[in-house]
Amino acid sequence: AQSVAQPEDQVNVAEGNPLTVKCTYSVSGNPYLFWYVQYPNRGLQFLLKYITGDNLVKGSYGFEAEFNKSQTSFHLKKPSALVSDSALYFCAVRDNGGGSYIPTFGRGTSLIVHP
Amino acid sequence: NAGVTQTPKFQVLKTGQSMTLQCAQDMNHNSMYWYRQDPGMGLRLIYYSASEGTTDKGEVPNGYNVSRLNKREFSLRLESAAPSQTSVYFCASSDGAFNSPLHFGNGTRLTVT
Repeated sequence: AQSVAQPEDQVNVAEGNPLTVKCTYSVSGNPYLFWYVQYPNRGLQFLLKYITGDNLVKGSYGFEAEFNKSQTSFHLKKPSALVSDSALYFCAVRDNGGGSYIPTFGRGTSLIVHP
Repeated sequence: NAGVTQTPKFQVLKTGQSMTLQCAQDMNHNSMYWYRQDPGMGLRLIYYSASEGTTDKGEVPNGYNVSRLNKREFSLRLESAAPSQTSVYFCASSDGAFNSPLHFGNGTRLTVT
């Protein structure tokens, strides 16, 4: 079975400071991991994914994520937050070890960037 | 290049009324999905269609039906709406590969009174 957890409902950060949004996962095989962002009154937009290879993945809008197999984590990061980064962020996982191709989504983390 | 288009954007129904939410994608994707999003609950899968001609239940299918009309279109029907179905509904599509992300529409906000 595949599962994903986002332990923080909300993350607050000041503009210009680095941000981290946490995600941990559980799979039987190897994980395919995804981050999505949702702005108000919009659908989810794909940010980045980890399939294999480098543990640091770069994505849209200056975001990156670090895959850590030993800690089963895939945290989303950005070196310098912008007020416009304020949104809802979702982590998702697929298990390629015989799991379903239907992704499992976390409950989402609300990122608030203060001016 | 519209991506995933959902109609309507907003809808208010009375308990017991029926309606169909429409979804169309122009990316030639095989798989399509219907989710609902409620505060504190994240995204919950209602139904999905792995390919044209197939549909399967997701996590919360009760009270809903779906039709995969063709490769482009996947509709969600509420036969007798209930207040518990007040939610934001999202349609998504993907090419079905494990390493491919989902592409979402902008949602339908449904209120059942």
